[in-house]
Amino acid sequence: EPEVTQTPSHQVTQMGQEVILRCVPISNHLYFYWYRQILGQKVEFLVSFYNNEISEKSEIFDDQFSVERPDGSNFTLKIRSTKLEDSAMYFCASSPRGGGAGNTIYFGEGSWLTVV
Amino acid sequence: QQQVKQSPQSLIVQKGGISIINCAYENTAFDYFPWYQQFPGKGPALLIAIRPDVSEKKEGRFTISFNKSAKQFSLHIMDSQPGDSATYFCAANPSGNTPLVFGKGTRLSVIA
Repeated sequence: EPEVTQTPSHQVTQMGQEVILRCVPISNHLYFYWYRQILGQKVEFLVSFYNNEISEKSEIFDDQFSVERPDGSNFTLKIRSTKLEDSAMYFCASSPRGGGAGNTIYFGEGSWLTVV
Repeated sequence: QQQVKQSPQSLIVQKGGISIINCAYENTAFDYFPWYQQFPGKGPALLIAIRPDVSEKKEGRFTISFNKSAKQFSLHIMDSQPGDSATYFCAANPSGNTPLVFGKGTRLSVIA
């Protein structure tokens, strides 16, 4: 069964450093997402991406964050100047069409980011 | 209006019992209501979903009950098993490309 793959599975970084989280969405999917889950809390939407541009973003997704689809297969989340409160599990997800109307969103296993 | 309120926060059920998790929403534009199951260290995985044109959907031991007038929906797990122990998230979004909004999750423990 096709799946969303994410790397790294776990990254520890010093506060102030830049981090890039990578994702390979399911190959025929058109919509891509990043969600975040702080330990023990709910899954929070960060950003959605379609047709090589951001289609929607949350309040969390400020200038510290950026996304890119550099080569047609990878989808990356860059976090500049990381802060302690950025420590969380970051999930990449994809869907064949938009996330509504019954179109399933498939999640990767997550990248656990620890900022020290 | 974009919130989905989920309860209880945690639930302990005896093996063979029925697990019930409830969610409520306010945004009447929501028209897709999935439930996701998450095991520790894994990403959420779609379990079952419902559209508001039906009041119930059943897949195996899992049933969603939907009350459109009350703006509530619930997940029932029949004959709960220890392997069902996980965190369950309800979610919702309007039709189109708007992203999913998740509830806060319910940690289910099924004990033998």
